[in-house]
Amino acid sequence: AAGVIQSPRHLIKEKRETATLKCYPIPRHDTVYWYQQGPGQDPQFLISFYEKMQSDKGSIPDRFSAQQFSDYHSELNMSSLELGDSALYFCASSPGLAVDTQYFGPGTRLTVL
Amino acid sequence: ELKVEQNPLFLSMQEGKNYTIYCNYSTTSDRLYWYRQDPGKSLESLFVLLSNGAVKQEGRLMASLDTKARLSTLHITAAVHDLSATYFCAVDYTGTASKLTFGTGTRLQVTL
Repeated sequence: AAGVIQSPRHLIKEKRETATLKCYPIPRHDTVYWYQQGPGQDPQFLISFYEKMQSDKGSIPDRFSAQQFSDYHSELNMSSLELGDSALYFCASSPGLAVDTQYFGPGTRLTVL
Repeated sequence: ELKVEQNPLFLSMQEGKNYTIYCNYSTTSDRLYWYRQDPGKSLESLFVLLSNGAVKQEGRLMASLDTKARLSTLHITAAVHDLSATYFCAVDYTGTASKLTFGTGTRLQVTL
């Protein structure tokens, strides 16, 4: 069965650079969620989109922005990167809100040097 | 602020033994999820508990939810090495599943 696709899988950036992470949800899933997981930490919710509109917002820094496109894929844009942004970034998708579960992608490991 | 706490944080157990992981949360919710994560890997959905008294079982794992006590348990029966992983509970308190708040995680190590 098709799963959530994230690209790139690994990304290395310097401080103050920008990064763009991409997420392609499972086909026919219209809801996308972004989470950040620091080393040894639990995943922290960043932001979610339903039908291309932002549905909820968590602890997302102002330096980050995200959007969902007409084909339902989503991009997380990160600017002025800091060392503390080094983490695993997960995208999850679901077939609408208020559904049983969120299906997680493999993650993008971002390292900021 | 919603807090989701798990205990223990680390569990080392022998194969064949039984144990329970506890997940406590601070705000009313009737949606609770359990995920498994292997090191450096993604989160795999194990159970979705959607009502008070819900109980679900898959293989050697059984999860339950008590919304009045704000408590969920993940019971491991006759542990095997393949169950070694980190287990997270997650709570949806929005009622719309628009975001999950994860617990602290329990790292399970099953030894021979």
